[in-house]
Amino acid sequence: GNSVTQMEGPVTLSEEAFLTINCTYTATGYPSLFWYVQYPGEGLQLLLKATKADDKGSNKGFEATYRKETTSFHLEKGSVQVSDSAVYFCALPLSGGSYIPTFGRGTSLIVHP
Amino acid sequence: DAEITQSPRHKITETGRQVTLACHQTWNHNNMFWYRQDLGHGLRLIHYSYGVQDTNKGEVSDGYSVSRSNTEDLPLTLESAASSQTSVYFCASSELTSGNLRTDTQYFGPGTRLTVL
Repeated sequence: GNSVTQMEGPVTLSEEAFLTINCTYTATGYPSLFWYVQYPGEGLQLLLKATKADDKGSNKGFEATYRKETTSFHLEKGSVQVSDSAVYFCALPLSGGSYIPTFGRGTSLIVHP
Repeated sequence: DAEITQSPRHKITETGRQVTLACHQTWNHNNMFWYRQDLGHGLRLIHYSYGVQDTNKGEVSDGYSVSRSNTEDLPLTLESAASSQTSVYFCASSELTSGNLRTDTQYFGPGTRLTVL
């Protein structure tokens, strides 16, 4: 089945710093790719997604580009805020056609004022 | 607004007791999922359902059961709670669509923190 690997955290940054969280995947075909965010004490929520190669997903200042050449979907933000402190999960379907996602282990982001 | 709710939000129980965690969604989604989240393990799938009367085992289904009698609800039952089942449990739902309408986005509930003493 498909799988995803994301960088381990925690990632600790100062406010207004640039953020990159790496995500690489192994997949058959070209499945949709997702980033979910989990704020403290809450469930996961979709942050952004891309459905085909070269697509860029974006939301709340975050961006990720579907790179089939490097099988990557890295999450970036130009200027992080304290309110971005959360755990970020990269995900894709477990296999072609499956409605079950496989998630990365999650990367904790801590932003200091 | 559509939502997915879980109850209780916190539960403390004793080893050997039966526990049921509720999940209710108003998205009218056919797909529903139960996960547990533990440090060092990430999210692990317990059970899932693609519609009424349909249930399937996930990777960590031992000791858990589900039933789907309507579209909105997928209760998770721990038949005989064990300390190893202390965890945070999340319910999620998604649409059962295909082709160009397919989205695959999962909508998560707020979670239930279960402690088994």
